[in-house]
Amino acid sequence: NAGVTQTPKFQVLKTGQSMTLQCAQDMNHNSMYWYRQDPGMGLRLIYYSASEGTTDKGEVPNGYNVSRLNKREFSLRLESAAPSQTSVYFCASSEGVAGWDGDTQYFGPGTRLTVL
Amino acid sequence: QKEVEQNSGPLSVPEGAIASLNCTYSDRGSQSFFWYRQYSGKSPELIMSIYSNGDKEDGRFTAQLNKASQYVSLLIRDSQPSDSATYLCAVNTGGYQKVTFGTGTKLQVIP
Repeated sequence: NAGVTQTPKFQVLKTGQSMTLQCAQDMNHNSMYWYRQDPGMGLRLIYYSASEGTTDKGEVPNGYNVSRLNKREFSLRLESAAPSQTSVYFCASSEGVAGWDGDTQYFGPGTRLTVL
Repeated sequence: QKEVEQNSGPLSVPEGAIASLNCTYSDRGSQSFFWYRQYSGKSPELIMSIYSNGDKEDGRFTAQLNKASQYVSLLIRDSQPSDSATYLCAVNTGGYQKVTFGTGTKLQVIP
């Protein structure tokens, strides 16, 4: 039981390049989330998926797209990376909807992204 | 006003002392409250969740919730150097699907 896994662990991009961050969970959770964490800003929600087939914007969605490929996988895509997207990205999952059901979110190990 | 506010610290306490971490929130409709611990370079992990006014104890940790005053706190008894980490307060705000995190309080336990 690996929990929540993310790939890659580290990535360096040049401005304008694109990439996809991958996330998978093996806990049969319904909800999945993408956060970014910046110094002094805390964790901020980018997108979330309350169930397979649905996605919704969070607090900072601009410059990102997501795909809930199936119940296990939730990917985050940067179409044209900018230096402002340099951050640590965390994927998380929960059995129900964290905000409504009060469910615990389980976090992946994170991806450290640098955009030059 | 930020939705969830925490003192960034660092909060320094001697080993064996009680560490008290505080968090205030702005949404009176919030119902779910969480404390996560995050070691440097690692991902957040849940310590406690609390949903009702009062105290909730789990081992050396006690979460306290006061909805009237809109604050939630975490007490760590018999603090250990291994408790040194950043503690994130999280609250459901702004609609039923959103959990907002504070910026965290860095705790340093001095041996």
